[in-house]
This record gives sequence, C-alpha cells and structure tokens, in this order.
Amino acid sequence: KNQVEQSPQSLIILEGKNCTLQCNYTVSPFSNLRWYKQDTGRGPVSLTIMTFSENTKSNGRYTATLDADTKQSSLHITASQLSDSASYICVVSGRGSTLGRLYFGRGTQLTVWP
Amino acid sequence: KAGVTQTPRYLIKTRGQQVTLSCSPISGHRSVSWYQQTPGQGLQFLFEYFSETQRNKGNFPGRFSGRQFSNSRSEMNVSTLELGDSALYLCASSSTPGQGAGMNTEAFFGQGTRLTVV
Repeated sequence: KNQVEQSPQSLIILEGKNCTLQCNYTVSPFSNLRWYKQDTGRGPVSLTIMTFSENTKSNGRYTATLDADTKQSSLHITASQLSDSASYICVVSGRGSTLGRLYFGRGTQLTVWP
Repeated sequence: KAGVTQTPRYLIKTRGQQVTLSCSPISGHRSVSWYQQTPGQGLQFLFEYFSETQRNKGNFPGRFSGRQFSNSRSEMNVSTLELGDSALYLCASSSTPGQGAGMNTEAFFGQGTRLTVV
C-alpha cells in the first residue's frame, strides 16, 4: 500500500532554534517528493520539490534532503522564526501505475515560541 | 499572475442540502484537482480534471462530483450533505496533468472553502 508517514506529529521549539522534520514513504514507483507549508485555515504553499535523482534542495532557511534508497526525506529549518509556525506536509507523487496521484502525509504541526 | 481562486471561502449548509464549490486555476493551467482536508484524515484526493476530462478519482462516494469548463474553471458538487462532509476543500492547479506528478511540475493550491454542515 502506498503510504507517507511523517514524524513527529507535533513539535514545539523556541525562536531561533533549528529543527528537523521526517518523512518516510512507501510509494512505488516514485516520481518526486514535495514539502508544503500550510498556515492554519489556508492552502498549502510549496517549499521544495525533489526528483528521485536529487539528494538535497534548499529554499532560504528550509533545506530538504532525500534518500530514495531508504525512502526517507527530511526538512530542516534553520534559525526558526515565529512565522514558521504551521503544518508541514510531505507529498509524494508516483509514476507508472500510480501516475497522477499525490500521496499526502498527515503533516507535522510546528509551533515556534518566542 | 493571479493565483488559484476558490469561492466561496466559507459556507454553512444543513444536512441533506447540496453545495457547489468553484475553483479558478492559474491562467494557462489546465489541470485542476480537488482535495478534502479534515483534522482526522488529513488531505484526501477527490478527483482531477484536465482539459474538461476527469483523469483520476479518489475513494469518495458518488455524492461528490465535479466538472471542468472550457476555460479550465472547475466546480465541485456535493449532494445530500452529511455532517461528516464538514471540511476544508482545496483545489490545486497545475500546468501538466497528474498534478504535475510525472513532469515534476508544481501544483499550486487555493486558499480553500471551509464547509460546515449543521
């Protein structure tokens, strides 16, 4: 069964600290993996998109890594800010028989305290 | 370039009624996908339309239906509303079919329609 699991479910950190969110997936065959940030009550906004041949991609203070062999990805946030408080969703897309489907994790709810 | 526009933003309906939600994709995008998001289930895929044709469908009952017009705008209809249909309904647009999956292109989400069924 194609699944995407994220951990932790929720995380609280102090402003200025770093944190790492995890995503494990079983989607196969795999096309690409995306990280989205979703503020409460709003639509998700794309942070990064990585194909199976990419190991790392950065977007400002956000750095995503991908290990296609172990089917794991992480999102590292550096020097967190209050505005980073949001849900971070890992999304995996398939190809071949699963082309056209996006598989969503349930997200990690990040809270940044001052 | 305008983003994905969903209307209305908020909606309150009673059980048994029907509702129609609208999504206008980014100009030039022909793929529109719909999702239901609830706290318990996360984001769940409803269906995708590309060039007025439904390409993919998730595991939702037939009460959920959609269509896409020649200008790529899409509507989603839910008939005989149930309390469990209360959710944030999101649409996403992409320039390629399959929500950009095979082409590694972006899928851009709208702000969603918050539907409350009472």
